[in-house]
Amino acid sequence: KAGVTQTPRYLIKTRGQQVTLSCSPISGHRSVSWYQQTPGQGLQFLFEYFSETQRNKGNFPGRFSGRQFSNSRSEMNVSTLELGDSALYLCASSKTGQGEPNEKLFFGSGTQLSVL
Amino acid sequence: GNSVTQMEGPVTLSEEAFLTINCTYTATGYPSLFWYVQYPGEGLQLLLKATKADDKGSNKGFEATYRKETTSFHLEKGSVQVSDSAVYFCALISGGSYIPTFGRGTSLIVHP
Repeated sequence: KAGVTQTPRYLIKTRGQQVTLSCSPISGHRSVSWYQQTPGQGLQFLFEYFSETQRNKGNFPGRFSGRQFSNSRSEMNVSTLELGDSALYLCASSKTGQGEPNEKLFFGSGTQLSVL
Repeated sequence: GNSVTQMEGPVTLSEEAFLTINCTYTATGYPSLFWYVQYPGEGLQLLLKATKADDKGSNKGFEATYRKETTSFHLEKGSVQVSDSAVYFCALISGGSYIPTFGRGTSLIVHP
């Protein structure tokens, strides 16, 4: 069973540009969530999608957006990049995202974004 | 709101040493508690969990006990290996939200 796949693995952009990251969840998983990981802040929740709808949102500015497609694949977009957006962006998937007792969250390896 | 506090790292140990990584939490209601591990270049993996007070989660020689009276969920292992070198995250789910709140992570470095 394939795991959560994130592409690309590495990205280098300059300030002011925009970027799109992709996440393919485990087959059968309908919930996809995104996290930003930095050494200073740790893991910060960005948003969660379920059945093509954003169901939860963290405290990030509107420059961060996302979407989910009918096959559950998800993309996140960051516009007008800032130096502080440099981070590892992690995607996680689960079947329902409803915290069922035996439901597990599966993470991808992340996209390392560097903003110069 | 919910929050998780972990000890600062890195924690540096010799192989076969005893490991403790402290984790305390603040949460509404009765949270479920988790430890995740992140190996270099990889995403997070669930290591163990506990869903109610006094439960002990265990996996791969790691253990953690849900202590409601001290709001803690410390991670322990009796004898660490070089392959345990990774970043460990404590997390909780509580208050009707199914989005985990993570601690900042503790880096563990094990020397041969």
